[in-house]
Amino acid sequence: DAGVTQSPTHLIKTRGQHVTLRCSPISGHKSVSWYQQVLGQGPQFIFQYYEKEERGRGNFPDRFSARQFPNYSSELNVNALLLGDSALYLCASSPVIGGAYEQYFGPGTRLTVT
Amino acid sequence: AQSVTQLGSHVSVSEGALVLLRCNYSSSVPPYLFWYVQYPNQGLQLLLKYTTGATLVKGINGFEAEFKKSETSFHLTKPSAHMSDAAEYFCAVSETSNDMRFGAGTRLTVKP
Repeated sequence: DAGVTQSPTHLIKTRGQHVTLRCSPISGHKSVSWYQQVLGQGPQFIFQYYEKEERGRGNFPDRFSARQFPNYSSELNVNALLLGDSALYLCASSPVIGGAYEQYFGPGTRLTVT
Repeated sequence: AQSVTQLGSHVSVSEGALVLLRCNYSSSVPPYLFWYVQYPNQGLQLLLKYTTGATLVKGINGFEAEFKKSETSFHLTKPSAHMSDAAEYFCAVSETSNDMRFGAGTRLTVKP
């Protein structure tokens, strides 16, 4: 079975631009979460979606938004990019929502903002 | 809110030596605890997890961790390091929902 897939793999954007990152969860998984991993740090929670509804939001500005589609895939959108948004963006899926369930991570999208 | 502290950003061991990576957590409710490994330019792979029950948890690749509530710790160990264990290791905690909170990570170097 395919794991979590993310696109694109790498992306270079200029300050002030907008970016959309995409994620397809493991088949049958209904929960998708997004994380930002800045170089040298652990992943930071951005959003969690379950059954197309936002179920959790981390401490990120309103420039960050996301949505989940009927097929459970998800998009992360970032507006007005800043240099500090340069990071590896990780998507993770799990079958259902709940703290006991491990999350399965995709390979990430490396975003570079110049 | 839950949080994790990983003691030691870098750990270096010789091949065949004991690996010990330290993790302390803070949680207002009984926590769910996880260890993930990340190889260069890759996503995170689950090593093991603690939810309920037995406090000594065995994972993949010979790793294990022990949940100690009195010490709020969940340290990761492996009796004998292999060169292939060199990677970044992350401890994570979640509570009722699965928005995990990760530690800053520990980079493990294995010397021949």
